[in-house]
Amino acid sequence: AQTVTQSQPEMSVQEAETVTLSCTYDTSENNYYLFWYKQPPSRQMILVIRQEAYKQQNATENRFSVNFQKAAKSFSLKISDSQLGDTAMYFCAFTHGGSQGNLIFGKGTKLSVKP
Amino acid sequence: DVKVTQSSRYLVKRTGEKVFLECVQDMDHENMFWYRQDPGLGLRLIYFSYDVKMKEKGDIPEGYSVSREKKERFSLILESASTNQTSMYLCASSFPYQTGPTYNEQFFGPGTRLTVL
Repeated sequence: AQTVTQSQPEMSVQEAETVTLSCTYDTSENNYYLFWYKQPPSRQMILVIRQEAYKQQNATENRFSVNFQKAAKSFSLKISDSQLGDTAMYFCAFTHGGSQGNLIFGKGTKLSVKP
Repeated sequence: DVKVTQSSRYLVKRTGEKVFLECVQDMDHENMFWYRQDPGLGLRLIYFSYDVKMKEKGDIPEGYSVSREKKERFSLILESASTNQTSMYLCASSFPYQTGPTYNEQFFGPGTRLTVL
């Protein structure tokens, strides 16, 4: 069975510093996609960043970047220059190419950015 | 921008009531999903639909049913609400074809916080 594990239930970081959220997954598929979603206290879940498994280059979106280690099945999210608005639940998610779009989610990491 | 709306942000019902949660998306997405979110458990898939009138069970379908009569609307039904169904319910939609940058990305509604007394 495919699983996604986020080993850090809660984390905190000082404003302007860098923080890394961990995610590991388990699959035997070769064609798959990985996502990080953010859910602020207002509850609207939004996509932060996505990574296609066939791409070797790590995805980057402004202050957000990933460290995708395919062999280790690791997909960590790095947030640089943390801002108060980054305070949220972060969910790692996985889907494979033939899955009809079903996402498998980790249990989430609650990130608090402190002033 | 994709917009996914849910009929209520907060809902309070009594045990045994029939409850309808409605979800509407405006981007012509084929796939729609219902999740429940509980602290420490993440998101768990209840049902999903990949076409009108089609439905598939997710990981926790017991006590729930769904209806998709139109492409843009996906309803979650609690036939007889119970206290253990008190939760946050999230609806999502996605485009399943590998022809654009949002392939397999799920777009979420704001959620419905359901309390069953």
